[in-house]
Amino acid sequence: GAVVSQHPSRVICKSGTSVKIECRSLDFQATTMFWYRQFPKQSLMLMATSNEGSKATYEQGVEKDKFLINHASLTLSTLTVTSAHPEDSSFYICSARPGGETQYFGPGTRLLVL
Amino acid sequence: RKEVEQDPGPFNVPEGATVAFNCTYSNSASQSFFWYRQDCRKEPKLLMSVYSSGNEDGRFTAQLNRASQYISLLIRDSKLSDSATYLCVVGSGYSTLTFGKGTMLLVSP
Repeated sequence: GAVVSQHPSRVICKSGTSVKIECRSLDFQATTMFWYRQFPKQSLMLMATSNEGSKATYEQGVEKDKFLINHASLTLSTLTVTSAHPEDSSFYICSARPGGETQYFGPGTRLLVL
Repeated sequence: RKEVEQDPGPFNVPEGATVAFNCTYSNSASQSFFWYRQDCRKEPKLLMSVYSSGNEDGRFTAQLNRASQYISLLIRDSKLSDSATYLCVVGSGYSTLTFGKGTMLLVSP
């Protein structure tokens, strides 16, 4: 299957700082990438759809000014959690589609905000 | 009503057993269906797509019943390595995937 990488794999930061997470498609180009969040024992929830060269599309209830998404190239999307707070602590996962409906996921980033 | 509903389990089965999971979805306009596997603290990985005609991949068989809006996954001859959470995933055809909470499977020696 297609390979998607994420960096960093885990982050511990102080409340109020900003955290940037990178998502890369390694062996294909992706005009669209997806950002999910998963809390313990919960399902993956789509946060936003990242579109190369244009603005991201955010799901209802997700603050676009808090979760900044930049999709500057066909292989890279970044999610920045601005002014992170403890309630933002979660497992953030990106995905991309090489073609068709199937999405391939990055290994995820575990964020802990103290 | 939840969009994608699964029994959370856990399903505890011995090695070699056959186990089946079901999943129901609420959006009748859903167009694509998948089973993903998620190991503890890891990302989901595609197990198989689910087609209307049903499909089989080794020990795994998936079936879709559009009329009743449910999807099933059958695992035969369970292995210890099959222990994981199995996510039922439904696509709307607009790229958006909706995930169930998953069904946990524990295979014991």
